[in-house]
Amino acid sequence: AQSVAQPEDQVNVAEGNPLTVKCTYSVSGNPYLFWYVQYPNRGLQFLLKYITGDNLVKGSYGFEAEFNKSQTSFHLKKPSALVSDSALYFCAVRDGRAGRRALTFGSGTRLQVQP
Amino acid sequence: EAGVAQSPRYKIIEKRQSVAFWCNPISGHATLYWYQQILGQGPKLLIQFQNNGVVDDSQLPKDRFSAERLKGVDSTLKIQPAKLEDSAVYLCASSLRSVGTDTQYFGPGTRLTVL
Repeated sequence: AQSVAQPEDQVNVAEGNPLTVKCTYSVSGNPYLFWYVQYPNRGLQFLLKYITGDNLVKGSYGFEAEFNKSQTSFHLKKPSALVSDSALYFCAVRDGRAGRRALTFGSGTRLQVQP
Repeated sequence: EAGVAQSPRYKIIEKRQSVAFWCNPISGHATLYWYQQILGQGPKLLIQFQNNGVVDDSQLPKDRFSAERLKGVDSTLKIQPAKLEDSAVYLCASSLRSVGTDTQYFGPGTRLTVL
């Protein structure tokens, strides 16, 4: 079975500082990895995904994520946090083997950026 | 491009009542998903449609939940009868195909409260 762990319920960072939101995964085949952000009373908004190729993936709003196969991690990063980045972030994984369709989400990490 | 539309945005019902949610995916998207997001958790897939056929409904509580996508476009999710533990946000998502690499795009969700 595939699973995702987001070990931090909340991450606090000062505006202008770099941020990291952690994600580790477990899947039998090659992983397809996704990050989504959720603002209050809104649906999930796609940020970026890793399918294959370059381990560093760049996405929307200056976010990037680094795929590390040996550590089974896909941490979300941003060089300089903004107050408007404060939201709930979800990591998700899908098994890359044919016929495996379900997307499994982590429990989410709340990012709080202080002015 | 219009996003995924859902209605209603909020619904409050008594336990044992029935409720229905509606979703209209992004135009041209063949695959439609319904997720349940309980407070403090990540979304959990309930059912996946490819055009008007069911691809995965393994986590759908079929004794009380049903869903249809009759013309391969919009979809309805129904709960009958509702239980207290059904209180959650119901998210609809769509993707161009059901290929594992495809990005799922989410609607704003319907927040259901069962009293």
